[in-house]
Amino acid sequence: NAGVTQTPKFQVLKTGQSMTLQCAQDMNHEYMSWYRQDPGMGLRLIHYSVGAGITDQGEVPNGYNVSRSTTEDFPLRLLSAAPSQTSVYFCASRKSGTTNYGYTFGSGTRLTVV
Amino acid sequence: GQQVMQIPQYQHVQEGEDFTTYCNSSTTLSNIQWYKQRPGGHPVFLIQLVKSGEVKKQKRLTFQFGEAKKNSSLHITATQTTDVGTYFCPLLASGSARQLTFGSGTQLTVLP
Repeated sequence: NAGVTQTPKFQVLKTGQSMTLQCAQDMNHEYMSWYRQDPGMGLRLIHYSVGAGITDQGEVPNGYNVSRSTTEDFPLRLLSAAPSQTSVYFCASRKSGTTNYGYTFGSGTRLTVV
Repeated sequence: GQQVMQIPQYQHVQEGEDFTTYCNSSTTLSNIQWYKQRPGGHPVFLIQLVKSGEVKKQKRLTFQFGEAKKNSSLHITATQTTDVGTYFCPLLASGSARQLTFGSGTQLTVLP
């Protein structure tokens, strides 16, 4: 049981490049989310999904796309990278149907846009 | 809108001292979750409190939910260097999705 797996762990992009951050979970969790964390700050919600085929925007969705074709995977796409997107990105998941579960977070992707 | 304020923002303690962080909400909360994030790490779920006045313990950590369900506290007895990190009490969104809204948390430094 690997939990939430994020790849890559580190990435450097040039301004204007696109890329996809991968997130996979093997816990059959319905809910998945993407957060970004800037230095010394809390996490901000980018996009989230309550199940396969269903996604919605969070607090800071601009410049990012998501899709959820399977329960396991929830990739985050950066369309045209900008220096302001330099951050640490966390994917998280939790089981639906009860409020007693906390979110399980992946170990993060540290992205630098130059 | 709904907000959760966490205090203090920073706390330095000597190893062995106690530590407490507080979360205060402007509105009644249905429940509250606590997370810990070690430096360079990812948030880890610690606990969820649901009932008014609820107190739960995890070894040296004591979590409390206020009687009015508007505040919560995390108390660590006899801190250790392994307690270093940032402690968050994110706001849980209403509705089935229950997304988290994080504040800046309380950053704990434990001096050996």
